[in-house]
Amino acid sequence: DQQVKQNSPSLSVQEGRISILNCDYTNSMFDYFLWYKKYPAEGPTFLISISSIKDKNEDGRFTVFLNKSAKHLSLHIVPSQPGDSAVYFCAAREQGTSYGKLTFGQGTILTVHP
Amino acid sequence: DAGVIQSPRHEVTEMGQEVTLRCKPISGHDYLFWYRQTMMRGLELLIYFNNNVPIDDSGMPEDRFSAKMPNASFSTLKIQPSEPRDSAVYFCASSSQDSRHQPQHFGDGTRLSIL
Repeated sequence: DQQVKQNSPSLSVQEGRISILNCDYTNSMFDYFLWYKKYPAEGPTFLISISSIKDKNEDGRFTVFLNKSAKHLSLHIVPSQPGDSAVYFCAAREQGTSYGKLTFGQGTILTVHP
Repeated sequence: DAGVIQSPRHEVTEMGQEVTLRCKPISGHDYLFWYRQTMMRGLELLIYFNNNVPIDDSGMPEDRFSAKMPNASFSTLKIQPSEPRDSAVYFCASSSQDSRHQPQHFGDGTRLSIL
């Protein structure tokens, strides 16, 4: 029972273009969402997050959008760079649960071509 | 500052053997998490500790899996006996309650192969 789903296993984008990574969730009790980035042979690193009281959060080239009614969030990277090539994980935390417990998606492999 | 340190980085062993994975969290962090990464299910939370006490082990797949945190700077995840389906990358992460929205910091993982 996958409560956080990333339905696209991979995405290929040209350098300079926009990358859009998508994430869907089923648990309406999720109130905080995060994106992590993972390079080969390394652990995931935090990228950006958003609270359910917002619908957008921006940090440099990275913007996360949250659509609560659709239970959908997306990560936009503009412009995309070859160094952005990595696996991106979407994660969510349930309201009222103990601090820190996250549910992750399966990940999307992003490849940015020069 | 040293990050989360996991050992070994790679482990190859035959089925039936005992496997022990180790983790040293970031100093001062009071939460420690163990995850397993597979292609099919992504990152699955196995168990997590707060102040060395196990809080939620509902993700531990079977009785063959056990985890301990004897002190604030060390944790182990043990599989006994190991099976080929346990092959995966296992991550340890830590975080601090002091900053509620601070994300978890991950180690570089242990790639486990059970033959």
